[in-house]
Amino acid sequence: GIQVEQSPPDLILQEGANSTLRCNFSDSVNNLQWFHQNPWGQLINLFYIPSGTKQNGRLSATTVATERYSLLYISSSQTTDSGVYFCAARNSGNTPLVFGKGTRLSVIA
Amino acid sequence: GAVVSQHPSRVICKSGTSVKIECRSLDFQATTMFWYRQFPKQSLMLMATSNEGSKATYEQGVEKDKFLINHASLTLSTLTVTSAHPEDSSFYICSAAAPGRGSYEQYFGPGTRLTVT
Repeated sequence: GIQVEQSPPDLILQEGANSTLRCNFSDSVNNLQWFHQNPWGQLINLFYIPSGTKQNGRLSATTVATERYSLLYISSSQTTDSGVYFCAARNSGNTPLVFGKGTRLSVIA
Repeated sequence: GAVVSQHPSRVICKSGTSVKIECRSLDFQATTMFWYRQFPKQSLMLMATSNEGSKATYEQGVEKDKFLINHASLTLSTLTVTSAHPEDSSFYICSAAAPGRGSYEQYFGPGTRLTVT
């Protein structure tokens, strides 16, 4: 099955700094999603982005499907951005999303 | 957007008892639902794929007799943890796809935190 790798595993930022999280995947994809898991465990869907670029406020994401990677950009980080960011992908039909191990982000004031 | 609900959000049970978790798609029909499990500080691991009206497909290492999955309708799938043990304590999350909406996006429920004492 498809393999999903995320980097870095941990990231500490000063409030106001920018960051880039990376997701590499091993096969072509028909779905790639970025999530933020909040302290209560709920997955907040940030982007559905199997290809191209999207932006939502301070967050943006780019997937280069031909090179099998996706990037999540966080600009002007805030303490509320802290948490775990997951990338998940799948490569065919209605198969389930496979998750990376996540990036644990800590934004300090 | 598509909404997936889970009930209960949190449950504590005694070792040896069974617990049922419900997963509902509220505003779309889900022919396929997925069940994931997440241990503390780890990622989500797929347990099984649930198809409406047929038997679930379990991932390697997941005991089908222990984790009973029923997908009786297009909006409801249930996961029953039978004869629960402390090692079954975990965060269980269901998910559904809505292909009728024209994409392969997957929607997730809020999760159920199970503690077995």
